[in-house]
Order: sequence, then structure tokens, then C-alpha cells
Amino acid sequence: GAVVSQHPSRVICKSGTSVKIECRSLDFQATTMFWYRQFPKQSLMLMATSNEGSKATYEQGVEKDKFLINHASLTLSTLTVTSAHPEDSSFYICSAGEPTRFHEQYFGPGTRLTVT
Amino acid sequence: AQSVSQHNHHVILSEAASLELGCNYSYGGTVNLFWYVQYPGQHLQLLLKYFSGDPLVKGIKGFEAEFIKSKFSFNLRKPSVQWSDTAEYFCAVKKGKSSGDKLTFGTGTRLAVRP
Repeated sequence: GAVVSQHPSRVICKSGTSVKIECRSLDFQATTMFWYRQFPKQSLMLMATSNEGSKATYEQGVEKDKFLINHASLTLSTLTVTSAHPEDSSFYICSAGEPTRFHEQYFGPGTRLTVT
Repeated sequence: AQSVSQHNHHVILSEAASLELGCNYSYGGTVNLFWYVQYPGQHLQLLLKYFSGDPLVKGIKGFEAEFIKSKFSFNLRKPSVQWSDTAEYFCAVKKGKSSGDKLTFGTGTRLAVRP
């Protein structure tokens, strides 16, 4: 149980375009999901906390207009990278808090975004 | 704000050697502590966690960790590593058990086990 999926696993897009990444909790409902960014050989940096039915809470330094987060249902959160640039190329990972297990976070497999 | 330090950035061991990875956190209140592992090309998986009770926690694949409150530490150990333990290991801290409580990750330790 407690499986989180992400789609797509890899995406290549051209500079200036937008990319949407989906995060789904497959067998539980998550009121809260988290979006992280991981640079090569570095740790996970929390970008934002996504709350179902309300606005996301962004970490300091994260542009909310660039990284749009929508948490429209208890099993789906989306991250849209708008007007992507090469410096947005990274590994994006989501996690979902499992409410019956003290909101322990379960992680998705990540999405590698490459902006050319 | 809470922070997590992992002092060993890169560790190389031979198979059957013992492993200890350090983790220290800075937060004076009650914390929940985690160790995650990320195998090459795979997603983050939980190795073990500490919420309360016995400070010696046993996890999957023979790993264990000891919470020492006075030292703000939660070191990860394994008595005998295998080649398949080659991965990146992350220590993480969470202040509470509410849905919005954030995980703070350490910088990670890359372990390479030589066969």
C-alpha cells in the first residue's frame, strides 16, 4: 500500500514552453502533497506544500508564478513549470502524506525535466 | 528553522564492512526522524523511522539507527554491508505528525560498496 506515481517519468521540452507533471496517490487519499526538486548529487529541496482544495504554500525563493501547483482532488496534484528555461532542468519529486500513518510521506519515482 | 547535517558525503566500503552514517539535527522540540535510501535510478524509499519509544530502531534490509536525544543525533548503522547497498542515503527530520508538517532533508551520503 501507500503508492505514489508520477507522470511523465521523463520529459524534454523547448525553452519557453510549459510542462505539466502529475502526482497521484494510488491507494490512499492525501490532503497534503509535497513537491521537491533535486539537483544532481544533491539533496531534495522542498519547493511547495500542496493542499487539496486550497492554494499551495511555497518555500522562500520559489516563484509561484513559474511553478504552478494545483491539488484538485485528494489523489492528484499537478506541478506546471511555465515558460521553462534550461535552468529549470532538474529532477522533480512529489510525495504524499498518508493520513492513516501519521501523514508519513510516500514518494513518487520522480520526473526528469530537460529544457533545451 | 530545523536543519539536518550529514557529515559523510561519500563513503566507500568493501563488502562485509560495517557501516555507520552520521546524522545530526538542530531542533529542540519533539521530532520525528527518518532515513531514506535512493538506489541508482529508483525513487526514495523509507529505510526506518523513529517517532517515540525505543531509541534503537530497526529497519529494512538489516539497517538500524539509534536516536540519542542529548546529542541530537540519529546515526544509521549496518553491521555488514553488501554490494546491493550501494545507494544514496538521506536523513530527514519532521517536527510533527500533521499533514502539513514538512520534511527537512540532509545533504545525503553516497555509499559505494566494492564487491
